[in-house]
Amino acid sequence: DIQMTQSPSSLSASVGDRVTITCRASQSIRSFLSWYQQKPGKAPKFLIYGASTLQSGVPSRFSGSGSGTDFTLTITSLEPDDFATYYCQQSFSNPLTFGQGTRLEIK
Amino acid sequence: EVQLLESGGGLVQPGGSLRLSCAGSGFTFNNYAMNWVRQTPGKGLEWVSGVSGGGGSTFYADSVVGRFTIYRDNSKNTLYLQMNSLRVADTAVYFCAKDSPSDGVQFDYWGQGTLVTVSS
Repeated sequence: DIQMTQSPSSLSASVGDRVTITCRASQSIRSFLSWYQQKPGKAPKFLIYGASTLQSGVPSRFSGSGSGTDFTLTITSLEPDDFATYYCQQSFSNPLTFGQGTRLEIK
Repeated sequence: EVQLLESGGGLVQPGGSLRLSCAGSGFTFNNYAMNWVRQTPGKGLEWVSGVSGGGGSTFYADSVVGRFTIYRDNSKNTLYLQMNSLRVADTAVYFCAKDSPSDGVQFDYWGQGTLVTVSS
């Protein structure tokens, strides 16, 4: 199975900050990497696929990059609505696997 | 508007069975693979199972192989997960999730989730 490791596990930031979350795969997954945002008690929301393609309707302050084993999710100019937990997910091979999540908290 | 509505969760004893349902609307149901993803309370996400649009291909996580069965009834736009031999470790919120049209398998729409509690 491909293991996905996110860092950091938690992050404190302020409104207006720029933050970067990293996701590392245990083997190459080319660009088969997606990102999700989840708020407490809610289903995850699909943000990015193909490592860098923004899902329709997702604000442009979100961006993704990377290929192979190392990927990043960047949020420029944080807004109050962005404080949530973020997960990466690989779809290169079964079983599909998620990172353990990064909790983004207000400083 | 795409909507996914799960039902069927509840409290069951270890070794028991439960069937989850997920009714889809707002999209051409049989054009898309569908999946179940679960989340243990306070923990992360785990993909459980997936089925192709026509229902002919199914995929499972190792943790549920031989105990869970995914299937769909495209005439009813409904996805199912039959869960047998349930274990305490299967306790989680179960989400159904639609596959996106892009390469790879990723989940562009999710249901609200249904809680399965396995406890004596």
